[in-house]
Amino acid sequence: DTEVTQTPKHLVMGMTNKKSLKCEQHMGHRAMYWYKQKAKKPPELMFVYSYEKLSINESVPSRFSPECPNSSLLNLHLHALQPEDSALYLCASSQTLLSSGNTIYFGEGSWLTVV
Amino acid sequence: KQEVTQIPAALSVPEGENLVLNCSFTDSAIYNLQWFRQDPGKGLTSLLLIQSSQREQTSGRLNASLDKSSGRSTLYIAASQPGDSATYLCAVRGAGGTSYGKLTFGQGTILTVHP
Repeated sequence: DTEVTQTPKHLVMGMTNKKSLKCEQHMGHRAMYWYKQKAKKPPELMFVYSYEKLSINESVPSRFSPECPNSSLLNLHLHALQPEDSALYLCASSQTLLSSGNTIYFGEGSWLTVV
Repeated sequence: KQEVTQIPAALSVPEGENLVLNCSFTDSAIYNLQWFRQDPGKGLTSLLLIQSSQREQTSGRLNASLDKSSGRSTLYIAASQPGDSATYLCAVRGAGGTSYGKLTFGQGTILTVHP
């Protein structure tokens, strides 16, 4: 099983709302990632967790708040977003962060629209 | 900072043709290189991973090569089919500097295989 599951698939939220995106994997992976992808662009790294600790934050605005409650779950808490934050948010995982043999697996993504 | 370039940006071929997608990267300090495909509105599917010490990997009709010293990779697709139509993304995982541990993507090649 190489599945990364993301919920919800679609989310519409107002600029004053608080919502969360969720990601789950049961492959025993210890590195988990959040990427943002705008239309016709490649994914851009937002956050990386390694062994449930935040390892990389790509200077993401504080209105995005990641959380890794355990080794299988990754959340992205959203608050006071802007319309330009509308995008496909992709979660990914790999066995570890720093190994040449680790394939990174992506979920199907959560489509976020901020109105 | 690692930069990844993919050529061509788009490719349209008749069914049955063999084709080559190109990827180049500026910093040879990498852990690995991974090829993905992305269907419209979907997540990324991993196709092949080549470790930094390897020269090529094969899976079915796909063959990927890596020349780390020159910063180049190619994805060869044999006997293309309409179902191969998708965006193909190349990504490298950095092993040094500001790209350490990060997966950097190219802009992608949009492939259309027509019957």
